[in-house]
Amino acid sequence: EIVLTQSPGTLSLSPGERATLSCRASQSFSNNCLAWYQQKPGQAPRLLIYGASSRATGVPDRFSGSGSGTDFTLTISRLEAEDFAVYYCQYYGSSPWTFGQGTKVEIK
Amino acid sequence: EVQLLESGGGLVQPGGSLRLSCAASGFTFSSYALHWVRQAPGKGLEWVSAISSSGRTYYADSVKGRFTISRDNSKNALYLQVNSLRAEDTAVYFCAKREPSTTLDSWGQGTLVTVSS
Repeated sequence: EIVLTQSPGTLSLSPGERATLSCRASQSFSNNCLAWYQQKPGQAPRLLIYGASSRATGVPDRFSGSGSGTDFTLTISRLEAEDFAVYYCQYYGSSPWTFGQGTKVEIK
Repeated sequence: EVQLLESGGGLVQPGGSLRLSCAASGFTFSSYALHWVRQAPGKGLEWVSAISSSGRTYYADSVKGRFTISRDNSKNALYLQVNSLRAEDTAVYFCAKREPSTTLDSWGQGTLVTVSS
């Protein structure tokens, strides 16, 4: 099973700042089956990034994903008010699929 | 528009059972793999189970032997039979559609299962 570890646990930033979220896998996988989701309180998760770096339909271009092997990053170039939420990375290459524990991006 | 609507959650005693349902619309149901993901109160997401379009099933170790995923393509419905429930199974259970070219691109709003005496 691939274990995903996200850091930091909480990121305190101001609107307009850049957010950099990390997701590290316990073992390397070559198919880049790594996704990022955004979740706001009381809502279902929303797919942002798949294939480590491809934006899902309708996702603003301030969101970008990068990385390969064991180290992956989600970057939000300029935080807007609606971006303050919890973000999860997910491995989906094979069963069992796994999620990281989440990074909360909060308003400073 | 893709819609997924979960139901069947509720309060159940430890050791009890429930059958969760997910009613789907807006896409060709039989062509897609479907997943269950859960979230304990105040906690992160946990993948639970999946079923392929052909009916092959997959489970997290934490639920293997206790939970059974199934689908009825004639009713556009996904199910999760949850047995031998434990306090740690308390969570909101989401169903989600797997888009082959991406991943879980559509989610329901979830149904809450509470296991307590």
